[in-house]
Amino acid sequence: QKEVEQDPGPLSVPEGAIVSLNCTYSNSAFQYFMWYRQYSRKGPELLMYTYSSGNKEDGRFTAQVDKSSKYISLFIRDSQPSDSATYLCAMSEGFKTIFGAGTRLFVKA
Amino acid sequence: GAVVSQHPSWVICKSGTSVKIECRSLDFQATTMFWYRQFPKQSLMLMATSNEGSKATYEQGVEKDKFLINHASLTLSTLTVTSAHPEDSSFYICSARDTQGLAMGEQFFGPGTRLTVL
Repeated sequence: QKEVEQDPGPLSVPEGAIVSLNCTYSNSAFQYFMWYRQYSRKGPELLMYTYSSGNKEDGRFTAQVDKSSKYISLFIRDSQPSDSATYLCAMSEGFKTIFGAGTRLFVKA
Repeated sequence: GAVVSQHPSWVICKSGTSVKIECRSLDFQATTMFWYRQFPKQSLMLMATSNEGSKATYEQGVEKDKFLINHASLTLSTLTVTSAHPEDSSFYICSARDTQGLAMGEQFFGPGTRLTVL
């Protein structure tokens, strides 16, 4: 069993849709949870960062962490074609960071 | 925000030659830098963790003699692919962790270097 599971997609949605991206994990020691966005042939860009459980909102993006279920989510409201990218979840217990496989998202105009 | 640069952004070399990739943290100090490799449509594969002033820690299956890592300062780490072969062709990405940051898990990534070995 992988430490972090993420559906690679691809996920295709129309412009304006609400997008839900998810990851599950097995290591209960993880305390730091991140979402990165990676455009083709570019390095990952940190989108959201959450410590422990709870919600965090930044503009159109909301990150949720449910440690009891070992489940994290990223919601994108009013999705735009420019949101088309690969989204990687990542989590850490303080030193080593484990990345999910990434979900490819396509937002159609 | 924290900025990490990589140089070169892409490189093409002949089989058997060595290639050096630089990773710099531009506006923060990083005692720890990470080197990743990424194949098309796949996730990041951690190759090694680089600590300033000490030897790098390599992940299982990564040849330390082939992928030489040097972290000579708090803002610079280099990855040298020695005697490169076509199977080393990949996208190499570095990341850095801010020593002053509260975010223990937070990493900032460079833009990546695409290596093509002919």
